[in-house]
Amino acid sequence: KNQVEQSPQSLIILEGKNCTLQCNYTVSPFSNLRWYKQDTGRGPVSLTIMTFSENTKSNGRYTATLDADTKQSSLHITASQLSDSASYICVVSLISSGSARQLTFGSGTQLTVLP
Amino acid sequence: DAGVIQSPRHEVTEMGQEVTLRCKPISGHNSLFWYRQTMMRGLELLIYFNNNVPIDDSGMPEDRFSAKMPNASFSTLKIQPSEPRDSAVYFCASSLTPRNSPLHFGNGTRLTVT
Repeated sequence: KNQVEQSPQSLIILEGKNCTLQCNYTVSPFSNLRWYKQDTGRGPVSLTIMTFSENTKSNGRYTATLDADTKQSSLHITASQLSDSASYICVVSLISSGSARQLTFGSGTQLTVLP
Repeated sequence: DAGVIQSPRHEVTEMGQEVTLRCKPISGHNSLFWYRQTMMRGLELLIYFNNNVPIDDSGMPEDRFSAKMPNASFSTLKIQPSEPRDSAVYFCASSLTPRNSPLHFGNGTRLTVT
């Protein structure tokens, strides 16, 4: 069964500190992995996308890593800001035929950044 | 770019009533998705359209749920009759067809069925 598991479920850090969120998946055959940020009351917004051959992808203070051998990804947030408080969702895409798109969503990590 | 537009933002209705959720995708996007989000189950795909044609509706929970996409700029998700367990946030998302294209989500409709 294709699954995406994220840890921790929730995390509280102080403003200015760094943090790392984890995503483990069993999706196969793997197409790509994407991290989304979801602010309270809003829809998810894509942060990064990584394909099989990519190990690291950065977007400002966000850096995602991917180890396709161990099927693990991480999202590192540097110098956290209050606006980073949100749910971070890992989404893995399955290679599929035709026009169908098969995505498996993790349950998210709820990050709270305190002043 | 106005993004994906959903209406209404909030809907409160009584059990048994019909509910219609609306979505306007980003212009030029040819894929449209309806998702449901709850605390217990996270984001679940309900139905996926490509070029206005339903491709995968296996996530539609019951016959009470139906979705249409009459043209490239409008889609509806209808629940008839609604039940309390349908209470959730319903998101519409659109994208270009290539698999690496990101999903662009609307801000959702929070549905409460009493």
